[in-house]
Amino acid sequence: SYELTQPPSVSVSPGQTASITCSGDKLEDKDVSWYQQKAGQSPVLVLYQDVKRPSGIPDRLSGSNSGNTATLTISGTQAMDEADYYCQSWDTNTAHVVFGGGTRLTVL
Amino acid sequence: QVTLKESGPALVKSTQTLTLTCTFSGFSLNTGAMCLSWVRQPPGKALEWLAMIHWDDDKYYRTSLESRLTISKETSKNQVTLTMTDMDPEDTATYYCARSFVPTGTFFFDYWGQGTQVTVSS
Repeated sequence: SYELTQPPSVSVSPGQTASITCSGDKLEDKDVSWYQQKAGQSPVLVLYQDVKRPSGIPDRLSGSNSGNTATLTISGTQAMDEADYYCQSWDTNTAHVVFGGGTRLTVL
Repeated sequence: QVTLKESGPALVKSTQTLTLTCTFSGFSLNTGAMCLSWVRQPPGKALEWLAMIHWDDDKYYRTSLESRLTISKETSKNQVTLTMTDMDPEDTATYYCARSFVPTGTFFFDYWGQGTQVTVSS
């Protein structure tokens, strides 16, 4: 089955840029979505189709997908960005949804 | 306005069957390319997709749990139900329903319910 791998944690200083990676075999051939989940809350879609932002998501969040790695980049990181972030894609062979293991972003 | 809300028992015993219901509004599962999934999250762990039902009643299940899961829809009631048999303490988790609208064939979840916490006692 298809797997997505994320680093367990990323730390960033306020105002700096945070990058969260998501790795999978030939991931560039798939569409990747990203979700933000704050403590005690439901996940929120922050990026879809690699680079698109839903309404209301600030343009400080951006995405890319090349080779085997998709990246969520948060520019000018703020305390409010502290959360768990999950990448997600779709295994076309099995028609199954796949989530990464999640990355905890800490704003120091 | 799209809303989803999960309901079901907060506590079940080992070997029992869990039945969860997702009641939604603001869209119809009769609409082409509309799908609804169940996703769970054990305490302190990652999101785990469980099952999906499509507007045309196609159904898909997590391979490792396929024998225990059944997803169904009651379109007239705007409800989707998930049953999971032979519950185990390892199934203790928050269970979410989430919507996908996939006219381009890309599956992502644009709306989520608030989640319902299920504890399995031994």
